[in-house]
Amino acid sequence: LAKTTQPISMDSYEGQEVNITCSHNNIATNDYITWYQQFPSQGPRFIIQGYKTKVTNEVASLFIPADRKSSTLSLPRVSLSDTAVYYCLVGDRAGNMLTFGGGTRLMVKP
Amino acid sequence: ETGVTQTPRHLVMGMTNKKSLKCEQHLGHNAMYWYKQSAKKPLELMFVYNFKEQTENNSVPSRFSPECPNSSHLFLHLHTLQPEDSALYLCASSQDRAGDYEQYFGPGTRLTVT
Repeated sequence: LAKTTQPISMDSYEGQEVNITCSHNNIATNDYITWYQQFPSQGPRFIIQGYKTKVTNEVASLFIPADRKSSTLSLPRVSLSDTAVYYCLVGDRAGNMLTFGGGTRLMVKP
Repeated sequence: ETGVTQTPRHLVMGMTNKKSLKCEQHLGHNAMYWYKQSAKKPLELMFVYNFKEQTENNSVPSRFSPECPNSSHLFLHLHTLQPEDSALYLCASSQDRAGDYEQYFGPGTRLTVT
């Protein structure tokens, strides 16, 4: 079971780059890493997913080092609307043992 | 709008009541999930269904009983709950029951047990 650990909270300012790191020391060979964003009174929403190295999409980048024991979600030039809770999820290809981190509450200030 | 709907959005029930939560997905997905989200714990996976078959039960107390009549509908039947069961219950679906498929979450049902 890949237990995940994230910082509880982070503060940033508009226009800055934000990096949120998730530790998953016991990640297994077949596990994928997925990040979700959650706003109040809503369910989590998919941001990005990766297995190794770097993945980039239109909203974020995901950096995964060679040992895969951690991953970093990078949000470029955040805005006030990026204030939310960010979760990392580790799960294997069979969908077993899906384990969410405790979530990182990101506060973006003007 | 994620394509996953949940009803009711809010529910208050006594410890002796029986109620059901409903989830419906309009995405043609094969896997559906129930999660519990409480203030003091991270998202906890409760049940997983794939092609209507339950594939995972994460040691959930028997007072929670899931039902999946078809791939589009998922229910969570509740009976004799405890106050500590008060939480946000989230339903999700994905194309298949695999860790590399994106999950689509509903808005959740806010449950309060009195």
